[in-house]
Amino acid sequence: DTAVSQTPKYLVTQMGNDKSIKCEQNLGHDTMYWYKQDSKKFLKIMFSYNNKELIINETVPNRFSPKSPDKAHLNLHINSLELGDSAVYFCASSYYGEPQHFGDGTRLSIL
Amino acid sequence: GQQLNQSPQSMFIQEGEDVSMNCTSSSIFNTWLWYKQDPGEGPVLLIALYKAGELTSNGRLTAQFGITRKDSFLNISASIPSDVGIYFCAGQLPNTGNQFYFGTGTSLTVIP
Repeated sequence: DTAVSQTPKYLVTQMGNDKSIKCEQNLGHDTMYWYKQDSKKFLKIMFSYNNKELIINETVPNRFSPKSPDKAHLNLHINSLELGDSAVYFCASSYYGEPQHFGDGTRLSIL
Repeated sequence: GQQLNQSPQSMFIQEGEDVSMNCTSSSIFNTWLWYKQDPGEGPVLLIALYKAGELTSNGRLTAQFGITRKDSFLNISASIPSDVGIYFCAGQLPNTGNQFYFGTGTSLTVIP
């Protein structure tokens, strides 16, 4: 009965690889987000989708490509992973303009 | 993007003590949120504030929307060990629809 669920929880991979993180919400929300939390715990928004349409696209390398197949899912694909991509990536969801509910994060480590 | 500064950056307190932390910005916000993040988990919403001067409580937690709309405050009374975590403020600028900016976080340690 998890509200916002992300998979995988841990991801350890080599530099240069391509990887995907998946997110699903069962709250009926119309908006979903990806955030990056760095080693200093700073939370920065990356993308936001409302009803499958991209509405926030912060300055993020184009190696990061979000995809929303439907309102309940938002996936994040990362190409050519770099050392600086190591972080915790959080998915969140909300009704548009309302406070966000977060998943438990995906811990990405690049070797 | 917007920078929200939280202070203090970290706090070490004895169980039973009260805690105060704040969040400031150079911009006016129309919504302030307070979240708590436990180790290994995502942030969880504690309190939402929508009006300047608003004071809202959630159990032992009380938060206020600053009258200038550029700051917000969170107080925790009679702290307990499970209050340990990182507390984040988040603000929403007027007319930006859906974008919230997060503060730098306050790490709280409660010593039993």
